[in-house]
Amino acid sequence: QKEVEQNSGPLSVPEGAIASLNCTYSDRGSQSFFWYRQYSGKSPELIMFIYSNGDKEDGRFTAQLNKASQYVSLLIRDSQPSDSATYLCARALGSQGNLIFGKGTKLSVKP
Amino acid sequence: GAVVSQHPSRVICKSGTSVKIECRSLDFQATTMFWYRQFPKKSLMLMATSNEGSKATYEQGVEKDKFLINHASLTLSTLTVTSAHPEDSSFYICSPREARTDTQYFGPGTRLTVL
Repeated sequence: QKEVEQNSGPLSVPEGAIASLNCTYSDRGSQSFFWYRQYSGKSPELIMFIYSNGDKEDGRFTAQLNKASQYVSLLIRDSQPSDSATYLCARALGSQGNLIFGKGTKLSVKP
Repeated sequence: GAVVSQHPSRVICKSGTSVKIECRSLDFQATTMFWYRQFPKKSLMLMATSNEGSKATYEQGVEKDKFLINHASLTLSTLTVTSAHPEDSSFYICSPREARTDTQYFGPGTRLTVL
């Protein structure tokens, strides 16, 4: 099993702050990376994906990928209490590869 | 876009019965369907992968005769838990991969409780 590692948290940030979620992976063949958000009792929902080194921004979310260091991160700007959830990092080998998920980081945004 | 439906959302059944879970991609075609299971406070665990019109590939430790998967069309897949037992109680989530973009989405999940 190719591992995807995440700090389980909980990560607690005040409302309005930047939340930084990190993920490392061991398989250098991984080509695409995904961030999902999962609220308690619900299924995951896709936030964004990233294939290339560097940053990718979408609204308040920025994904950062560094293939040389084998890590991918997700920044959430202006965090809101509604962002409180578990964030799952996943990687795939190529466009046809299955997703391998990390165990998720629980984020708590305090009002 | 990328709407996935899963039915039923919740089911409670007696031990020994079979339960069928249906997953539909409503506005896209899914050549590949993944089925996951998630126990409380645990991570998603991939159970099986199926391609439309082909037999499913099961992950190690998942009994193919117990978890029957049918992927009859590009928009419909079913998972049948046969002779369910209390240890099968879990949150089952389908995940179709959109053919056009290779992006994987998730259904809303089915919470199965076996008494």
